[in-house]
Amino acid sequence: DTAVSQTPKYLVTQMGNDKSIKCEQNLGHDTMYWYKQDSKKFLKIMFSYNNKELIINETVPNRFSPKSPDKAHLNLHINSLELGDSAVYFCASSLSRNQPQHFGDGTRLSIL
Amino acid sequence: KQEVTQIPAALSVPEGENLVLNCSFTDSAIYNLQWFRQDPGKGLTSLLLIQSSQREQTSGRLNASLDKSSGRSTLYIAASQPGDSATYLCAVFPFYNTDKLIFGTGTRLQVFP
Repeated sequence: DTAVSQTPKYLVTQMGNDKSIKCEQNLGHDTMYWYKQDSKKFLKIMFSYNNKELIINETVPNRFSPKSPDKAHLNLHINSLELGDSAVYFCASSLSRNQPQHFGDGTRLSIL
Repeated sequence: KQEVTQIPAALSVPEGENLVLNCSFTDSAIYNLQWFRQDPGKGLTSLLLIQSSQREQTSGRLNASLDKSSGRSTLYIAASQPGDSATYLCAVFPFYNTDKLIFGTGTRLQVFP
């Protein structure tokens, strides 16, 4: 039983395209997150939602738009993809704010 | 601004050794500190969480200590095994923004038989 699942696991696409990554958690958690891990393996928060409400929006280009249709889902849509968007994107969830976070296996995005 | 660094960046040891991984943070005003493990191609697995009021936490062969005043945490791994090979990350929740987990740079550990 996968607690935090992301799809797709791999995403290869061309510059300028629009793509979405989906995330679902079956842990009953209230808070969900999107992180970006760059080529140097540095992990940085992008967005956080608590009970479907946006609580963190880091300095991320507005080409990135998160959407939380319900507490169990947090999707990430990216418009006009650029080479610099190539990274591994991780979804995570926690019972509530400040609690231990559970991570998905990541989506490896490669821009050609 | 909170910054988290980890030393060493990489470590390669023979099986059976006791290890110490270091994490330092620039602002001692933290809510808690977490240690994670990341296996290649996988997400992060939470190992230990230490609240700001605690000094250490233990789980099996793992022991994490926290010295908030000096801005340091250490992860001690006893009797290392090849299965411990992974990247270890520490992360803090700062008091000024308890929604934002700030990650360190990671230590890549390889334990060879």
